[in-house]
Amino acid sequence: RKEVEQDPGPFNVPEGATVAFNCTYSNSASQSFFWYRQDCRKEPKLLMSVYSSGNEDGRFTAQLNRASQYISLLIRDSKLSDSATYLCVVPAPSFGNEKLTFGTGTRLTIIP
Amino acid sequence: DTAVSQTPKYLVTQMGNDKSIKCEQNLGHDTMYWYKQDSKKFLKIMFSYNNKELIINETVPNRFSPKSPDKAHLNLHINSLELGDSAVYFCASSQEYREQFFGPGTRLTVL
Repeated sequence: RKEVEQDPGPFNVPEGATVAFNCTYSNSASQSFFWYRQDCRKEPKLLMSVYSSGNEDGRFTAQLNRASQYISLLIRDSKLSDSATYLCVVPAPSFGNEKLTFGTGTRLTIIP
Repeated sequence: DTAVSQTPKYLVTQMGNDKSIKCEQNLGHDTMYWYKQDSKKFLKIMFSYNNKELIINETVPNRFSPKSPDKAHLNLHINSLELGDSAVYFCASSQEYREQFFGPGTRLTVL
């Protein structure tokens, strides 16, 4: 199993729809997780942190399933501005949050 | 105000040359990083420095040498550039175990 695995997409979703991505990780000792967003030709930016079972921030919900070792990101009422690549990020447990392993990203396009 | 800045933004050079990329952060963070994002968009950590001390050194060729003159700066020097070094290099910084902030990236093209 890869350290961090994501469906690369692309996901083409109509504006206003709900979309969900999954991410699986291999190290069962991992405690915290992140979703980063990367726009085309830009740097990654933190979208959400997930430390326990989940986190919600407006239209975005991240959930963690430790037993199955996956994290999901749900976007409700999607906007055109949500079009980006979403990166699942898992810190290496022995390095705190300093050594991050990035998934290859899931590309999302919101269609008007 | 720019939080993490990198120079240059674009770098085009010939194989075999030596080049440097500079990074500065004004966030007061203790830890800085270099990442490489290849043509397949895969982002991978190369180095991490905490208060000028190297703490993470992934399996990077020793043609790559990071230097941290102070905790606000982390530069990357690359010797004998190869075609496979073409990528986007991102600098990042963080404080303790919190969020990493990334710079805008340096797009390196080796011809």
